[in-house]
Amino acid sequence: NAGVTQTPKFQVLKTGQSMTLQCAQDMNHEYMSWYRQDPGMGLRLIHYSVGAGITDQGEVPNGYNVSRSTTEDFPLRLLSAAPSQTSVYFCASRREFSSYEQYFGPGTRLTVT
Amino acid sequence: AQSVTQLGSHVSVSEGALVLLRCNYSSSVPPYLFWYVQYPNQGLQLLLKYTTGATLVKGINGFEAEFKKSETSFHLTKPSAHMSDAAEYFCAVKETSGSRLTFGEGTQLTVNP
Repeated sequence: NAGVTQTPKFQVLKTGQSMTLQCAQDMNHEYMSWYRQDPGMGLRLIHYSVGAGITDQGEVPNGYNVSRSTTEDFPLRLLSAAPSQTSVYFCASRREFSSYEQYFGPGTRLTVT
Repeated sequence: AQSVTQLGSHVSVSEGALVLLRCNYSSSVPPYLFWYVQYPNQGLQLLLKYTTGATLVKGINGFEAEFKKSETSFHLTKPSAHMSDAAEYFCAVKETSGSRLTFGEGTQLTVNP
């Protein structure tokens, strides 16, 4: 199993550009989520999904969109990048009704200039 | 709403000394509790978890944590620090109902030779 994969590893955007961060998992997990990590703030939940076709907002959803058309994939879209979105982004997945252990991807480091 | 407090954003210990990282949560109902470790430039990895049963939980790399309901705490300990333990540690909680995992702000552990 590859686990949770994320692409790209690094990205630099200009203010106003849009892009999609990719996330995929091969563990057939129902639950997938996106977090951003900023110094001194821990991980903050952006969006999550409990299954294909079902998504919901987390703590900091503004400026981001998600969709879940398959169990495996959960892309995160930045609609119009802003410097405040400079961060490290982590995707995670887990079984929804189990011990709730989350598996994390390696992260995407995004810089918006 | 669920909240997690990690006391001390930075903890420094000598190699061979006791490691104690503190975590307190707010919840009227005992939640599920987790400790994750993040090594530089990597994603998060589960150290240990408490869901039900024995309140002293053993994890990987010699770490353990004790769930104390009366103190709403889940402190992480290791009897003897190793240089390889230097990393950032995150406490997380999940309510028994609902899907979200809430993270603390993290504690950076430094191990001095």
